[in-house]
Amino acid sequence: GIQVEQSPPDLILQEGANSTLRCNFSDSVNNLQWFHQNPWGQLINLFYIPSGTKQNGRLSATTVATERYSLLYISSSQTTDSGVYFCAVVPAYSGAGSYQLTFGKGTKLSVIP
Amino acid sequence: NAGVTQTPKFRILKIGQSMTLQCTQDMNHNYMYWYRQDPGMGLKLIYYSVGAGITDKGEVPNGYNVSRSTTEDFPLRLELAAPSQTSVYFCASRQGLSTDTQYFGPGTRLTVL
Repeated sequence: GIQVEQSPPDLILQEGANSTLRCNFSDSVNNLQWFHQNPWGQLINLFYIPSGTKQNGRLSATTVATERYSLLYISSSQTTDSGVYFCAVVPAYSGAGSYQLTFGKGTKLSVIP
Repeated sequence: NAGVTQTPKFRILKIGQSMTLQCTQDMNHNYMYWYRQDPGMGLKLIYYSVGAGITDKGEVPNGYNVSRSTTEDFPLRLELAAPSQTSVYFCASRQGLSTDTQYFGPGTRLTVL
């Protein structure tokens, strides 16, 4: 099946710093989502971005589908940004199946005051 | 819209006990999913459903059963609970296309002792 690799696995930032999280995937996709799992375990949709660039406040994401990677940018980080960031994809070859999301292992972000 | 709701939030079971995790969505989505998340890992698919009356196995179905009698509800049944089933369980839904955004419930934290 499709492989999803996220880097770095762990990241510690001082409040106010910027960061870039990366997601590489091994095959073509027609669905890519970024999630934030907060310290209470809740999964929050950040972006649906199978290609192109989107921005939402301090967060933005870019997916270069032809090169099979996506980047999540966090600017002016805050302590509330702490948690785990997951990239998840649906491969283009899914066809009429489950359309299940395959998750990476996540990047654990800790923002310290 | 409440989105995807799950009950209970927390549960402790003894080995060999059974229970049902409830999941309801009010978005009239066709596709529904059950995932489990083990500590420090991404999510793995247990079962999914493409519509009322239709279910299929995901990556890790052993020890679980599902049913889908209505569009809204997708309960997950654990028979003969084992310590290996200690995990956080997430229910999710999507309208139908692989390109649709997938929405997650808040999760159920289950411990089997």
